[in-house]
Amino acid sequence: NAGVTQTPKFRILKIGQSMTLQCTQDMNHNYMYWYRQDPGMGLKLIYYSVGAGITDKGEVPNGYNVSRSTTEDFPLRLELAAPSQTSVYFCASSPGGGGNTIYFGEGSWLTVV
Amino acid sequence: RKEVEQDPGPFNVPEGATVAFNCTYSNSASQSFFWYRQDCRKEPKLLMSVYSSGNEDGRFTAQLNRASQYISLLIRDSKLSDSATYLCVPSNQFYFGTGTSLTVIP
Repeated sequence: NAGVTQTPKFRILKIGQSMTLQCTQDMNHNYMYWYRQDPGMGLKLIYYSVGAGITDKGEVPNGYNVSRSTTEDFPLRLELAAPSQTSVYFCASSPGGGGNTIYFGEGSWLTVV
Repeated sequence: RKEVEQDPGPFNVPEGATVAFNCTYSNSASQSFFWYRQDCRKEPKLLMSVYSSGNEDGRFTAQLNRASQYISLLIRDSKLSDSATYLCVPSNQFYFGTGTSLTVIP
């Protein structure tokens, strides 16, 4: 029962470093999403994808990049990490965009120092 | 993009109490909604779906009021384990709000 798997679970980055958060799902879902959640705040959509080869910006895309080369994988790239990117990152997927439950990964805790 | 508004709370209720949250929505075309539950430092998970006929699952009842454009979630006989943040989302959306925080007190 893998569902949505994110790696790494925890990471500390130095300012200016880059890294990729990996996300894979085994449910053959078309839609995938990346959210960030700051302490005490709600989920903010960073990027989403409606299928392989198609990505679109969400509410807070600046400082991030994504790609969707396969149905299963949706990595999130952080370029030039900044302290403002310290957050919990959730990857998620759903079969489609309407009337479908969104399934989340367990989250990736990122600290930029 | 966010089409719903929730009272962020926090709601602090004693164990065994009944508590209700409302979620108002702006798009009158929305046909159904989801309630998600998010425990502290965990990912959100689907709690229940809400359609025009409402939904009941054990101690949880969700209803949709189209005339007033709100969705309600009623929790009866609150348990300590019900402490979480509850998020309502139109079923055709993937933007989440801040949700409503519930703490059940012993």
